[in-house]
This record gives sequence, C-alpha cells and structure tokens, in this order.
Amino acid sequence: AQKITQTQPGMFVQEKEAVTLDCTYDTSDPSYGLFWYKQPSSGEMIFLIYQGSYDQQNATEGRYSLNFQKARKSANLVISASQLGDSAMYFCAMRGRLKAAGNKLTFGGGTRVLVKP
Amino acid sequence: GAVVSQHPSRVICKSGTSVKIECRSLDFQATTMFWYRQFPKQSLMLMATSNEGSKATYEQGVEKDKFLINHASLTLSTLTVTSAHPEDSSFYICSARVVGGPQHFGDGTRLSIL
Repeated sequence: AQKITQTQPGMFVQEKEAVTLDCTYDTSDPSYGLFWYKQPSSGEMIFLIYQGSYDQQNATEGRYSLNFQKARKSANLVISASQLGDSAMYFCAMRGRLKAAGNKLTFGGGTRVLVKP
Repeated sequence: GAVVSQHPSRVICKSGTSVKIECRSLDFQATTMFWYRQFPKQSLMLMATSNEGSKATYEQGVEKDKFLINHASLTLSTLTVTSAHPEDSSFYICSARVVGGPQHFGDGTRLSIL
C-alpha cells in the first residue's frame, strides 16, 4: 500500500520569499512517481512538477523545485519568490509503476499556503 | 498541453434526482480516466478507475450502483450519481492520464443536493 503524508496543514509565507512544503511517502513499489498539484479556491487541480524515483536529478519547473531525498522517502516542494497567486492548497501525490497499482494516484492531506503581501 | 474538460461545473438539484457528470479529454485519447470525490478542506479520494470499453474498477467502499461510470469512447467518461441524496453533496473531479505523463484534471463539479 502507498501512503503520502503532508504534516503542514497550513502556512503563511511573505511575498517574494521561498517556502518549502513537506511531503513524505511510504511504498513497497521499487519504482514510482511523485507529483505536486496546486488547487486554488476555484477547485481545479493544476499539475506543477514530477519526480521519478530513478531520476538522478531533482526536478525543477520554473519557480518550483522538488527536493527529492529517496533514502528519507521525502519529496518536498520548494516555491521560490512567492507570489500572491501562489495562495492555494498544495497536494503531494504518488503513483506506483507496478501493474497492480493501476496508475492510480494516492494523495496526501494537503497544505494550505497563504502568501502575505 | 493536455486539456480535460468537465461538465457541468455546478449542479443544484432535489433529493432523488440522478445527476450525470461528463469528463472529456479534448486533445488526447485516454483509455483510463479517474473519478475523485473531495469533501471540504479534505484531500481527494479516488472513487473509481474508468476503463474505455470495459467495466469501471471501484475503490473499496464505493457503491457501484450509486455511482455509475460509463467510458464509451477514448475521450469521454461519465459519472452518474443515481437517486442523489444530501449526503452525496460534494466536489467531484475527474482526471485523465496522458501516456507517459501526469494525470490532468478537469475543473471539477460542485454537486449540491437539497
């Protein structure tokens, strides 16, 4: 079974500062993928970044970077130079690669980020 | 990029009504789509995996007869909430996966049963 844990239910960040959102995971799959999604108050889920378990380098996408520490089973999201529009819920998710996993995503409980001007 | 369209975005209806929600992949084919349910301030819970041309795979605890899923084509999956009651009020969101890529989500449907 897969499990995703996000220990920060909510956090404030000052505009233009960086913020780190924690995500730890547990899985027995030898190969897996880790994702971060953003959910604004309007409800849509916006894909931000992906990290494969065998990727040698940490993923980066613009202001988003993923601090992947495989031995610690953590995949923290770093948002640099926060903007007011970054205020949203952020979900960490995992997808196993085994056929039995069925390409399903398992989500963490989410972290609400509020960016202060 | 991959676009998933979900319709309607909001439904308000009386108890006992059946409600159909559509999920379309607009610029790619999706043999598999997923339906999630999200309660306020909670995470997404997978309800079922919709497979084109075959029966959906439901997660444990999800009533198959309550939440009917049809995936008749490579670009369309529908979720029908049958005989909806107030406890079925929730945010329903679908997703489809591009082969070799992430799941892309529709904008969701807010269902309110009076």
